[in-house]
Amino acid sequence: AQSVTQLGSHVSVSEGALVLLRCNYSSSVPPYLFWYVQYPNQGLQLLLKYTTGATLVKGINGFEAEFKKSETSFHLTKPSAHMSDAAEYFCAVTQDSGAGSYQLTFGKGTKLSVIP
Amino acid sequence: DAGVTQSPTHLIKTRGQQVTLRCSPISGHKSVSWYQQVLGQGPQFIFQYYEKEERGRGNFPDRFSARQFPNYSSELNVNALLLGDSALYLCASSLNAGGGTGELFFGEGSRLTVL
Repeated sequence: AQSVTQLGSHVSVSEGALVLLRCNYSSSVPPYLFWYVQYPNQGLQLLLKYTTGATLVKGINGFEAEFKKSETSFHLTKPSAHMSDAAEYFCAVTQDSGAGSYQLTFGKGTKLSVIP
Repeated sequence: DAGVTQSPTHLIKTRGQQVTLRCSPISGHKSVSWYQQVLGQGPQFIFQYYEKEERGRGNFPDRFSARQFPNYSSELNVNALLLGDSALYLCASSLNAGGGTGELFFGEGSRLTVL
């Protein structure tokens, strides 16, 4: 079984400040980890993903995340927040099931507000 | 190229009714998945279909069913609607059935309100 915990359902930052959204996962096998963003009344857009290899992953819009196995964490960061970053962010986990199936387990989400 | 398209975008039903939601995947994608997103929660996996075969089912009652057509489009059916079925239903497509190295592309969803 796998699960995702996102600490903080709502985070507020000032424009230009560091964005840090926290995600911890539980997985019995090596996980694949994802961050998705959801703007109001829209679907989910992939920001970045970790599968194997380099533990620091860079995504779109200046976001990055670091996979830390010892801490079972995959926190999302951005050095400088922009107003357009205001949205809801979801961390998700899956595992490699080979060619069988593909199921994501999502966290409850963190709503990011950016204060001008 | 068109992304994942879903219809209808919004609908209102009453308890006990049945609903059918439709999804067209990205051209060339053979796998379609359905997720339910209740207000204030993350999406929850309902079904995955690949080449018209069910490849996965989440923890949902038998009132939920789905199918995939030869053109890879898909329908999600929910019978005997309950108030708790009110949610955003997201469809996602992917090139292949499995492998976390792939990517799920999500549609904008169908928002179902049950009164």
